[in-house]
Amino acid sequence: DTAVSQTPKYLVTQMGNDKSIKCEQNLGHDTMYWYKQDSKKFLKIMFSYNNKELIINETVPNRFSPKSPDKAHLNLHINSLELGDSAVYFCASLRSGANVLTFGAGSRLTVL
Amino acid sequence: AQRVTQPEKLLSVFKGAPVELKCNYSYSGSPELFWYVQYSRQRLQLLLRHISRESIKGFTADLNKGETSFHLKKPFAQEEDSAMYYCALIQDEKLTFGTGTRLTIIP
Repeated sequence: DTAVSQTPKYLVTQMGNDKSIKCEQNLGHDTMYWYKQDSKKFLKIMFSYNNKELIINETVPNRFSPKSPDKAHLNLHINSLELGDSAVYFCASLRSGANVLTFGAGSRLTVL
Repeated sequence: AQRVTQPEKLLSVFKGAPVELKCNYSYSGSPELFWYVQYSRQRLQLLLRHISRESIKGFTADLNKGETSFHLKKPFAQEEDSAMYYCALIQDEKLTFGTGTRLTIIP
């Protein structure tokens, strides 16, 4: 029943590893996002997809690669993880015209 | 470019006292502004948006275009109001957040 669900909720991994976070929304929204919340609680947009097409790509290292297999899913793959990648990653979706984002519960990534 | 500023990182208020969380924005056009709230260990959720002009959980926010502000107010703080509050502005389906204010209500 959860509108925007992310997995895993927690992820602890070593530097240099590659990991993925998955996001799914069952709201029928067309646009999905990834946001990063750092240790100071700053929230920064990373990517946005509309109907599987990339529309926002902020200044993010190319180690981060989003993938949208269909409009209900937006996954985030991170290569060669670094300590500074430790953060909470939030997925969100938007119904066009409504301008209100619905957020997932977040995925806390810890890089050791 | 759009920008949202929340000057207070931390704000502590006694229970029952009035609360005001400040938000200023810069945007060339007609902005659409929001307040989002994140309670401890919960997901970010919409608190209110300026176009609906409603009061949610006793909070209100008025858009002041002259001062480019969208301050969040509540006349009497409650303990359950303790949370992170983010002011946000949307343009072309891109939601930009301020740096957030952590509100702590002192019993």
